[in-house]
Amino acid sequence: DTAVSQTPKYLVTQMGNDKSIKCEQNLGHDTMYWYKQDSKKFLKIMFSYNNKELIINETVPNRFSPKSPDKAHLNLHINSLELGDSAVYFCASSQMAGASYEQYFGPGTRLTVT
Amino acid sequence: RKEVEQDPGPFNVPEGATVAFNCTYSNSASQSFFWYRQDCRKEPKLLMSVYSSGNEDGRFTAQLNRASQYISLLIRDSKLSDSATYLCVVTPYNFNKFYFGSGTKLNVKP
Repeated sequence: DTAVSQTPKYLVTQMGNDKSIKCEQNLGHDTMYWYKQDSKKFLKIMFSYNNKELIINETVPNRFSPKSPDKAHLNLHINSLELGDSAVYFCASSQMAGASYEQYFGPGTRLTVT
Repeated sequence: RKEVEQDPGPFNVPEGATVAFNCTYSNSASQSFFWYRQDCRKEPKLLMSVYSSGNEDGRFTAQLNRASQYISLLIRDSKLSDSATYLCVVTPYNFNKFYFGSGTKLNVKP
């Protein structure tokens, strides 16, 4: 069984559209994250939830809205997609919030905005 | 200045070689440090944590130099399977934040 899963794996869409990426973890972890990895391979944290509560909200356009229906799921909705949103989006989870906990990453969602 | 900086490489080394990467960080209050490995078009995976006294896991040795604000990863007896991008991760006093370096690419050749 995949520990952290994301859907879809690939997403190609046009500018201006709205899309969602889903993430689920079956590890029983309390904390989940969304990261964006751009073309230069720079991995940047976007959001973090701990037990369904938002604990990290980095400088991200408000077109991006995370939602955690329960602690096993963290979805990412993106409104009015722009070319610069093209990247690989990784979901991750860790046992608890905090630096000393290993993060487990999902396989990534490769978003291409045309 | 970026929170975390790495030489992007690539480091091209023959099998059996010893190779070392450094990662510098800007915040002297940084508390925790890690090395992650990312294979091409795959997700990052934890390779090892970096402890103040330095630590070793098989062929891999990680060290922290607080005075000069860098961490290092040494790989001995390189294998073809070590080819990947190595990402350093630094967390400041606010434990909920993580800063990833952009990675150092290693190519181990036969």
